[in-house]
Amino acid sequence: EADIYQTPRYLVIGTGKKITLECSQTMGHDKMYWYQQDPGMELHLIHYSYGVNSTEKGDLSSESTVSRIRTEHFPLTLESARPSHTSQYLCASSDPGLPGNTIYFGEGSWLTVV
Amino acid sequence: SQQGEEDPQALSIQEGENATMNCSYKTSINNLQWYRQNSGRGLVHLILIRSNEREKHSGRLRVTLDTSKKSSSLLITASRAADTASYFCATASMNSGYSTLTFGKGTMLLVSP
Repeated sequence: EADIYQTPRYLVIGTGKKITLECSQTMGHDKMYWYQQDPGMELHLIHYSYGVNSTEKGDLSSESTVSRIRTEHFPLTLESARPSHTSQYLCASSDPGLPGNTIYFGEGSWLTVV
Repeated sequence: SQQGEEDPQALSIQEGENATMNCSYKTSINNLQWYRQNSGRGLVHLILIRSNEREKHSGRLRVTLDTSKKSSSLLITASRAADTASYFCATASMNSGYSTLTFGKGTMLLVSP
């Protein structure tokens, strides 16, 4: 069972609002990730981090931003949400000591922008 | 372009039957992993196979890897209704310096009682 937690699980907000999706892990993993997944579709990597003060953009361009001030915490922020941001956002973490970069996922945050 | 591509997109079988899913990828990899996702949940790691391995078993799961064809298959034997989920392959490719995983679109498996 992975110790990685996301809040909120479900969120419905209006266009133009600022939102932050929280992600915390208690495994001490250095690497953390954010993936975006539309229903029934593939996962797209939007952000990742190698450790504290490290943030990198993923394969899919995203208007969201991330920060990594503490090892265990990797929040994702949308300054002005739009309906096109409606999706599931999955946070994940991994440790170099794990074989093959195995990733542990949170349960996901479902965002709906109306 | 995505790295992993699963086939079929959806599969419906009866309990007790075997389910086979395939994954093709494009670039050189150092390992390939399979993950499972229950509806509306996060993904769970199932099994990893390294590029120098050809077959691996874990319980009712059997994974094969053919690096010459850039393909892998996941076999679930004696399937159960609880196996109903989406299954994704993921690769750590040379393009990313093996530092991130790229996922395919997944195969949706429905196992009927």
